[in-house]
Amino acid sequence: DGGITQSPKYLFRKEGQNVTLSCEQNLNHDAMYWYRQDPGQGLRLIYYSQIVNDFQKGDIAEGYSVSREKKESFPLTVTSAQKNPTAFYLCASSMGVATNEKLFFGSGTQLSVL
Amino acid sequence: SQKIEQNSEALNIQEGKTATLTCNYTNYSPAYLQWYRQDPGRGPVFLLLIRENEKEKRKERLKVTFDTTLKQSLFHITASQPADSATYLCALGYNNNDMRFGAGTRLTVKP
Repeated sequence: DGGITQSPKYLFRKEGQNVTLSCEQNLNHDAMYWYRQDPGQGLRLIYYSQIVNDFQKGDIAEGYSVSREKKESFPLTVTSAQKNPTAFYLCASSMGVATNEKLFFGSGTQLSVL
Repeated sequence: SQKIEQNSEALNIQEGKTATLTCNYTNYSPAYLQWYRQDPGRGPVFLLLIRENEKEKRKERLKVTFDTTLKQSLFHITASQPADSATYLCALGYNNNDMRFGAGTRLTVKP
């Protein structure tokens, strides 16, 4: 059953804490993305990766970090520098970046601040 | 600055009617436009893609139009059903790493 798996579904962060959101795909896609979704706003791109060991900042990368050590995995760390982290985080993948093909999304992680 | 507006935050229609959702954009000339469906607490699911040189695309009960002069896309669901109730997002761009998403329109189809 191919797709994208995000975990956990819900995550709580204490002040000053870094938290990591997991994203795994078995679609053999080269490109992976992280989006942030806030109520009443469109999805905003945080980071994307076109290939293993390479990633690029999106529109709102400050306070976030990523890694791409394996093709299947693209974890997102929300650092303590992100002062307003409460949001719904979505991971996505596609065959490539320099295309206009559809994105496949995971089920999302809701991050809240304690 | 680039702006994407989806006609309204919420749209209520009766079962069997045609739902029409609007996506307007300014200060932008995208090469393509996509529509996604999102259910509460879930990730968006791709529905249709239309390119700048295409006027209309259809898939089963769905139809999308793309007017680059008006800078507008219309998304139609014919013979709507309660199961069509969801939030619908438009997204436009040149490549996948520069896609811009609208805030979405929440559609409710009442039996």
